Amino acid sequence: KQEVTQIPAALSVPEGENLVLNCSFTDSAIYNLQWFRQDPGKGLTSLLLIQSSQREQTSGRLNASLDKSSGRSTLYIAASQPGDSATYLCAVIRQGGSEKLVFGKGTKLTVNP
Amino acid sequence: EAQVTQNPRYLITVTGKKLTVTCSQNMNHEYMSWYRQDPGLGLRQIYYSMNVEVTDKGDVPEGYKVSRKEKRNFPLILESPSPNQTSLYFCASSLWATARMNTEAFFGQGTRLTVV
Repeated sequence: KQEVTQIPAALSVPEGENLVLNCSFTDSAIYNLQWFRQDPGKGLTSLLLIQSSQREQTSGRLNASLDKSSGRSTLYIAASQPGDSATYLCAVIRQGGSEKLVFGKGTKLTVNP
Repeated sequence: EAQVTQNPRYLITVTGKKLTVTCSQNMNHEYMSWYRQDPGLGLRQIYYSMNVEVTDKGDVPEGYKVSRKEKRNFPLILESPSPNQTSLYFCASSLWATARMNTEAFFGQGTRLTVV
């Protein structure tokens, strides 16, 4: 059974700091890994999708890496801003089966002005 | 604009009163699914559909029904809602990975359901 863990559960940083969010998964047989952002009471916004054959993806100040063999992904946020405050979720699609997304419980990020 | 639209966004209902949450996507995606999000439990899949008239249970299907009569729509039906179905519900869609091509999942804005 695929399990996804995100550490830390919460993170508070001062504005301008570079930071790393971690995601680990137990079964390396995945199709892809996707990072989402969720604002309180709101929907999920897709940030980055990393295919299983890729090692990283970049979008603006965000960079996500994937190491399938070790079951790890990181989301790097450069020069954090208060507007980055949200919960960040990672999810994987396991090969075979229903192709459902298996989510971690998220990291709640607070960027202080 | 590519999007997944859910309605209603907020709903308060009473135990036992049938309700439907609608979901529509404009991206011609084959794969659609429903998730519920609960504190401490995260997001869990309720039902999914690989295409029109093809649906199957996810991890927590009890108390829910779905239908997929058209490619763009995937309504979630609660025949007799109970308080333990109070939750935040999300609809999602993506291209079906028939060629095992990796695709991005798009989510609706969510429906906050309270059953009293």
